[in-house]
Amino acid sequence: AQTVTQSQPEMSVQEAETVTLSCTYDTSESDYYLFWYKQPPSRQMILVIRQEAYKQQNATENRFSVNFQKAAKSFSLKISDSQLGDAAMYFCAYELTNEKLTFGTGTRLTIIP
Amino acid sequence: NAGVTQTPKFRILKIGQSMTLQCTQDMNHNYMYWYRQDPGMGLKLIYYSVGAGITDKGEVPNGYNVSRSTTEDFPLRLELAAPSQTSVYFCASSKPGTTNTGELFFGEGSRLTVL
Repeated sequence: AQTVTQSQPEMSVQEAETVTLSCTYDTSESDYYLFWYKQPPSRQMILVIRQEAYKQQNATENRFSVNFQKAAKSFSLKISDSQLGDAAMYFCAYELTNEKLTFGTGTRLTIIP
Repeated sequence: NAGVTQTPKFRILKIGQSMTLQCTQDMNHNYMYWYRQDPGMGLKLIYYSVGAGITDKGEVPNGYNVSRSTTEDFPLRLELAAPSQTSVYFCASSKPGTTNTGELFFGEGSRLTVL
């Protein structure tokens, strides 16, 4: 079974600084998808960024980017120019083609003004 | 566009009581899911549905039942509530076709406490 590990239960960063959230996963498959979801205090979870495993180029979405290391099975999220609105729980997730999402346990990110 | 709507947002149950968590989506999504989120844990899949009339078990289905009579609605039934079912429950849906896009649309969650 696939597993997703987020080894940082909590992280904090100064406003306007850069922070990196770690995620590793375990799979024997070569074709899959990886995601970062954000869950703000209001609790509704939203998709932040998506990476297809067959793509070598790291995905970026404005201030959010990933460092995808397929051989190392690592998928970290970098948030640049952190803003107060970035404070949330962040979940890494894995999806095998036509299967269901497997979520990590989450990292709580605090932004320090 | 309301997206995914869950009710109720909060509920306290006594042990042995039953209840139904309602979920409806207006995006014409084929796939719908129920997750539970326990403190300090990731989301665990309870049940999912790939279309009206089709449901299947996820990782933690025991103590729950679902039905999918329409594309829009996917209620989750708790029979004989137990303290172990104290959790936050999330309904989600995904776009028509495959789940490969990975973008789940979530409801705001329902916090259930069983005493």
